[in-house]
Amino acid sequence: DAGVIQSPRHEVTEMGQEVTLRCKPISGHNSLFWYRQTMMRGLELLIYFNNNVPIDDSGMPEDRFSAKMPNASFSTLKIQPSEPRDSAVYFCASTPRVAGGLYEQYFGPGTRLTVT
Amino acid sequence: GEDVEQSLFLSVREGDSSVINCTYTDSSSTYLYWYKQEPGAGLQLLTYIFSNMDMKQDQRLTVLLNKKDKHLSLRIADTQTGDSAIYFCAEKNSGGYQKVTFGIGTKLQVIP
Repeated sequence: DAGVIQSPRHEVTEMGQEVTLRCKPISGHNSLFWYRQTMMRGLELLIYFNNNVPIDDSGMPEDRFSAKMPNASFSTLKIQPSEPRDSAVYFCASTPRVAGGLYEQYFGPGTRLTVT
Repeated sequence: GEDVEQSLFLSVREGDSSVINCTYTDSSSTYLYWYKQEPGAGLQLLTYIFSNMDMKQDQRLTVLLNKKDKHLSLRIADTQTGDSAIYFCAEKNSGGYQKVTFGIGTKLQVIP
């Protein structure tokens, strides 16, 4: 398996522009997580989905952030409009459904977002 | 709610042992994990311990769990420069979903 795939790997944009980050989870995994990592705040959970349904979006910082999971193999995280303080590395992770399982999270390589 | 705390930075000399500590608040934790993040990469599961265990050893890694004090530690024996990374403590509670709560990460610097 190719693992969790994220695109783009790097994104540089100007303040006020719309940014869309994409994630393809590992096939067969039923939970998907979006995280943001910064030096100041560490790793923050933004939102997670179970069976394509958003379960907890309390970590989404503002209404400028939105996430969708239209099917089991694709999710997007959108920021509109973007601001310099959104600059961070955004990770997507997925977890398989295994009864009594380990709940190991498989992380993608991340998207480094820079908003100027 | 769940909270996981760990120190931000640890520096050790190559060949020494490293001990990274973590405390958590959720008494219903089922699994506790250590994830490793190498520069420019995502997190990867390094090791884990089930909540009914006190210790787990895996080659150079030793995980100790004190449930009473809600304290988890990771010991790396004979630390190598390749062990330089950020180490995240994490816990999974007994809830039905697969959400895991991560600490802020401890950056381990190994000095040659």
